[in-house]
Amino acid sequence: DQQVKQNSPSLSVQEGRISILNCDYTNSMFDYFLWYKKYPAEGPTFLISISSIKDKNEDGRFTVFLNKSAKHLSLHIVPSQPGDSAVYFCAASRKTSYDKVIFGPGTSLSVIP
Amino acid sequence: GAVVSQHPSWVICKSGTSVKIECRSLDFQATTMFWYRQFPKQSLMLMATSNEGSKATYEQGVEKDKFLINHASLTLSTLTVTSAHPEDSSFYICSARARTEGTGELFFGEGSRLTVL
Repeated sequence: DQQVKQNSPSLSVQEGRISILNCDYTNSMFDYFLWYKKYPAEGPTFLISISSIKDKNEDGRFTVFLNKSAKHLSLHIVPSQPGDSAVYFCAASRKTSYDKVIFGPGTSLSVIP
Repeated sequence: GAVVSQHPSWVICKSGTSVKIECRSLDFQATTMFWYRQFPKQSLMLMATSNEGSKATYEQGVEKDKFLINHASLTLSTLTVTSAHPEDSSFYICSARARTEGTGELFFGEGSRLTVL
């Protein structure tokens, strides 16, 4: 049973426009939600996170929105840049350090110049 | 930010040999480290959770005798692929979580590409 879902395997966006990556989860016990960016043959790099007690967190061009009632979160990138082209993983975890992080399957974003 | 280093980044070995991959947290103590495997164009698959001073917890379907994990200190975890076969060829990634509670952020190593001939 997949606890973190990213239903869009790929997304193409024109440079300068907004990229919206979606994520759904099933476990209401998650405390934190995170977004990671990954280039081929490299480890993922942390982008932004949000606590379950908040509904929005913004960091520069990246904003994450959380809708707990819908068990849905989204990552907005605006304006999108060609360097943003990568695979984006949505992840969820609980606060205690011994709990594992659950990753979604990823969405491959292509930003077209 | 915190740094996790993985070594080697690339290894080629013959079928039947064993390969050890190291994962080090360079500037923080990691109570928990995770090992992932990624097949081409697929997501990160969690293999096991490595807790300092105790046995690793393996995910369903992962052979513990095949993938030996040791977390001997708060800064080092190792993954040994024993008697490697071509189907073990993959990209292995470790991650670590800091000792204190925080945002839940994981720090990832650079990954290790294993090719078994």
